[in-house]
Amino acid sequence: EPEVTQTPSHQVTQMGQEVILRCVPISNHLYFYWYRQILGQKVEFLVSFYNNEISEKSEIFDDQFSVERPDGSNFTLKIRSTKLEDSAMYFCASRTGLAGTGELFFGEGSRLTVL
Amino acid sequence: DQQVKQNSPSLSVQEGRISILNCDYTNSMFDYFLWYKKYPAEGPTFLISISSIKDKNEDGRFTVFLNKSAKHLSLHIVPSQPGDSAVYFCAASKETGANSKLTFGKGITLSVRP
Repeated sequence: EPEVTQTPSHQVTQMGQEVILRCVPISNHLYFYWYRQILGQKVEFLVSFYNNEISEKSEIFDDQFSVERPDGSNFTLKIRSTKLEDSAMYFCASRTGLAGTGELFFGEGSRLTVL
Repeated sequence: DQQVKQNSPSLSVQEGRISILNCDYTNSMFDYFLWYKKYPAEGPTFLISISSIKDKNEDGRFTVFLNKSAKHLSLHIVPSQPGDSAVYFCAASKETGANSKLTFGKGITLSVRP
């Protein structure tokens, strides 16, 4: 069964360092998302991406964040200068785009720990 | 701004009994609702969904009920099994088109006792 894959599964970094989280969405999906979950809190929307551009972003997704789909298969989230409060589980998700199928398929997540 | 609320953080039920997980929402623009199940160290897994044009959707042991006037939905699991023990997230979206981002609740931890 096709799945969304994410790397790395866990990354530890120093505050102020750049981090890139990678995702390979399901191959025929058209819409891509990043969500995050801070420990003990809800899953929060960060950004959606369609047709090689950002469709929507939350207030969390400030200038420190960027997304890219560099080669038609990978979908990356970059955090330019990490802060302690960026420590969270980051989930990539994708969706087909077919009408009436709003469910997102999530990867297993990348745990980011900022020290 | 909690647009999707899961007010009970946890629920414990006996194996074989019914589990009822509740969810409330405040945004009347939401028209598509989903339940996700999440195990520790894994991503959320889609379970079942319901469109606002329906009031019930059933898939095996899982049934979701939607009460639009009360802005309330619930997930029924019957019979509950120990493998159902997980965190269950209610989610909602405004449309199933281009920008159908999901807004999640905080989740309910379900424990099914053998």
